[in-house]
Amino acid sequence: GQNIDQPTEMTATEGAIVQINCTYQTSGFNGLFWYQQHAGEAPTFLSYNVLDGLEEKGRFSSFLSRSKGYSYLLLKELQMKDSASYLCAVRIPSYNAGNNRKLIWGLGTSLAVNP
Amino acid sequence: EAQVTQNPRYLITVTGKKLTVTCSQNMNHEYMSWYRQDPGLGLRQIYYSMNVEATDKGDVPEGYKVSRKEKRNFPLILESPSPNQTSLYFCASSLYRGGTGELFFGEGSRLTVL
Repeated sequence: GQNIDQPTEMTATEGAIVQINCTYQTSGFNGLFWYQQHAGEAPTFLSYNVLDGLEEKGRFSSFLSRSKGYSYLLLKELQMKDSASYLCAVRIPSYNAGNNRKLIWGLGTSLAVNP
Repeated sequence: EAQVTQNPRYLITVTGKKLTVTCSQNMNHEYMSWYRQDPGLGLRQIYYSMNVEATDKGDVPEGYKVSRKEKRNFPLILESPSPNQTSLYFCASSLYRGGTGELFFGEGSRLTVL
């Protein structure tokens, strides 16, 4: 089966650093995505990792270890507007050759940033 | 501005009354997909399309139909809506080949079936 685990909720303080973990067990791996979703809004793309290591993009960084089936999203200098749900998604090979965009989605981690 | 546009954004309907949710993208993306999002279940794919006249079932296709007659449009059709189709629906698009394949989502359509 396919499975992605993320913590359900996290709380952090404005200005701090928070790390949101994602572990996955999937039949194959073609990349891992992080999306941000504010309440009632659409998910928006944050980062993509396909090779092991750290990808940095401004205040956000994402790390991947394929051997461990593990990723994390690191948010620095937290701001109130970072309060949102963070979705981890793994792209997997599909037996249907046409669907090379098959994603397995985690349920998301709801982050609350307090003043 | 690059975007995915869905309509309607909000809809309340009754069981059995056919409805269509439209989706249009202006990025010339080959790949388009419909998702529904429900509390505790996350995002689940309903249907997807690799290109014009090429559609296929996702994980939860029952009760839905789609068509892809033009590259930019990918409407979702509920022939006979039922209360269990009450949900938040997202249309998304991406490049089919090349790039990271990141998805661009529409703003969502919140559907209530009474």
